[in-house]
Amino acid sequence: GEDVEQSLFLSVREGDSSVINCTYTDSSSTYLYWYKQEPGAGLQLLTYIFSNMDMKQDQRLTVLLNKKDKHLSLRIADTQTGDSAIYFCAELGGATNKLIFGTGTLLAVQP
Amino acid sequence: DTGVSQDPRHKITKRGQNVTFRCDPISEHNRLYWYRQTLGQGPEFLTYFQNEAQLEKSRLLSDRFSAERPKGSFSTLEIQRTEQGDSAMYLCASSSRQGDNEKLFFGSGTQLSVL
Repeated sequence: GEDVEQSLFLSVREGDSSVINCTYTDSSSTYLYWYKQEPGAGLQLLTYIFSNMDMKQDQRLTVLLNKKDKHLSLRIADTQTGDSAIYFCAELGGATNKLIFGTGTLLAVQP
Repeated sequence: DTGVSQDPRHKITKRGQNVTFRCDPISEHNRLYWYRQTLGQGPEFLTYFQNEAQLEKSRLLSDRFSAERPKGSFSTLEIQRTEQGDSAMYLCASSSRQGDNEKLFFGSGTQLSVL
């Protein structure tokens, strides 16, 4: 079955790095995604990684994928107060056309 | 084009009433998705369309829910005989699949409160 899990909460100080973790169960997932949701808003696509890659960097964002352990992480360098939001990871299963989302991690950035 | 738009932003209704939400996707996107999100949870898949064809429905979608995309452009989601458990944020997303990559772009959602 498909299941995506994340830790609920992360608190960091402004300027530090944040690392948000995610585990998934579908070994046939083709793409994995990170979305950001601010209060009262929809989800904004931040970045994604193809399952054959183990790392992708996009400005302050670094995605690491350990396919063997089905573990995905998002590192945000030099975290800013504007990064405070809920972050969702999502997988696109190999046999499906829909994204399955995790429960979200609330990132709180302290000034 | 400013992205996916949803209407209304908020809807308050009494139990037993019918409600209808509208979604206008990004114009060149042929896929349209409906998700539901409750407090503290991630979005849960409800249904999706490719052009005007409804290709998949979640078992979460009871008989009281119906979605349409008549001309392959905008979509409506109707809930009949609403129940308090239907209270949630209803999110619409559209995508234009590139190979195996399904990048979804979401609207701001319709927040439904059933009293």
